[in-house]
Amino acid sequence: KQEVTQIPAALSVPEGENLVLNCSFTDSAIYNLQWFRQDPGKGLTSLLLIQSSQREQTSGRLNASLDKSSGRSTLYIAASQPGDSATYLCAVKNSGGYQKVTFGTGTKLQVIP
Amino acid sequence: DGGITQSPKYLFRKEGQNVTLSCEQNLNHDAMYWYRQDPGQGLRLIYYSQIVNDFQKGDIAEGYSVSREKKESFPLTVTSAQKNPTAFYLCASSISPPGGSEAFFGQGTRLTVV
Repeated sequence: KQEVTQIPAALSVPEGENLVLNCSFTDSAIYNLQWFRQDPGKGLTSLLLIQSSQREQTSGRLNASLDKSSGRSTLYIAASQPGDSATYLCAVKNSGGYQKVTFGTGTKLQVIP
Repeated sequence: DGGITQSPKYLFRKEGQNVTLSCEQNLNHDAMYWYRQDPGQGLRLIYYSQIVNDFQKGDIAEGYSVSREKKESFPLTVTSAQKNPTAFYLCASSISPPGGSEAFFGQGTRLTVV
């Protein structure tokens, strides 16, 4: 059974700081890994999708990396802003048979002005 | 605009009632999913469907039922057998395999038992 862990559970940083969020998973047989952002009481907004054959993806100030063999992904946020404050979730889609998506518990980020 | 629409945004259920949450997508995705989110916990998979007229139980299917009669629609019924239904429910869709496609989510339905 796939298990996804995100550390830390919460993070508070001053505005302008670069930061890294971590995601680890136990089963490396994945199709892809996706990072989401969730604002309080809202649905999930997709940030970056990394296919299993890729090592990283970039979008603006965000960079996500994937090391499938070690079961790890990181989300790097450059020059953080107060508007980045949200909960960040990673999710892995398993390969083979019926594909399921398993989520981590999230990292709640607060960027302090 | 293409996307996923969940309705209603807020729903109140009395003890012993069944309620149905709506999820509609116009993205032409084959796969659809229902998740439950509780405070301090990750999203847990209730049911998923890879194609019309087919669906599979997720990790916490007890007390829930679904149907997939149309590609665009994947309604979730919370039955009276679900003992703790108060939660935030999220619907998602993606392109079916092969291929590792992006999952898109609706804005969620918050269900409260009164």
